[in-house]
Amino acid sequence: QVQLVQSGAEVEKPGSSVKVSCKTSGGTFSSYTMNWLRQAPGQGLVWMGDIIPMFGKANYAQQFHGRVTITADESTSTAYLELSSLTSEDTAVYYCAREMAVKTPVFQSWGQGTLVTVST
Amino acid sequence: EIVLTQSPGTLSLSPGERATLSCRASQSVSSSYLAWYQQTPGQAPRLLIYETSSRATGIPDRFSGRGSGTDFTLTISRLEPEDFAVYYCQQYHRPPWTFGQGTRVEIK
Repeated sequence: QVQLVQSGAEVEKPGSSVKVSCKTSGGTFSSYTMNWLRQAPGQGLVWMGDIIPMFGKANYAQQFHGRVTITADESTSTAYLELSSLTSEDTAVYYCAREMAVKTPVFQSWGQGTLVTVST
Repeated sequence: EIVLTQSPGTLSLSPGERATLSCRASQSVSSSYLAWYQQTPGQAPRLLIYETSSRATGIPDRFSGRGSGTDFTLTISRLEPEDFAVYYCQQYHRPPWTFGQGTRVEIK
């Protein structure tokens, strides 16, 4: 059974950057696409981007292009999301989610979520 | 991008009743690449249905999905107490993968 464990909550100041990690255990890491999504308080889910660890190339949603970087470390089965130039609108729970099957972007395995709060 | 619109926003029902949730896409979602998720407060979403009508592992058969093109439906045949939650549809026909805004199923 695949388990995704994310890093803990963060409080950041406007204009700074945050990096969230997501460690995979109990399943294959390298060949499955890892996705990052976020959910602002009381709002719906927004897909931010993804990466196939074995290829290392990330894809990003247009609204985050230029501010988001997704990377993966195959040696530790860990994916990372870095978001820069933070504003209060980036306050959200950030989730990693692995696709259900190769090339099937349905999200069956989820991390527990990481709350990022942007505040002065 | 493909915009998904869910209706109603909130559904107020009693345990044992039938729930019917709608998801409409701004463009055709071919090959039925539509999924449904359930989310309870403080929890990550849980996959219920993929490819319009296939139940994910461990999902009880009171959950069913149907539809094609731009109109999709999730039905919960008899609501159990644990089914009161928010439900999201998601398309994976064309990136960026997008979600509806959610339907809240609340206890009447």
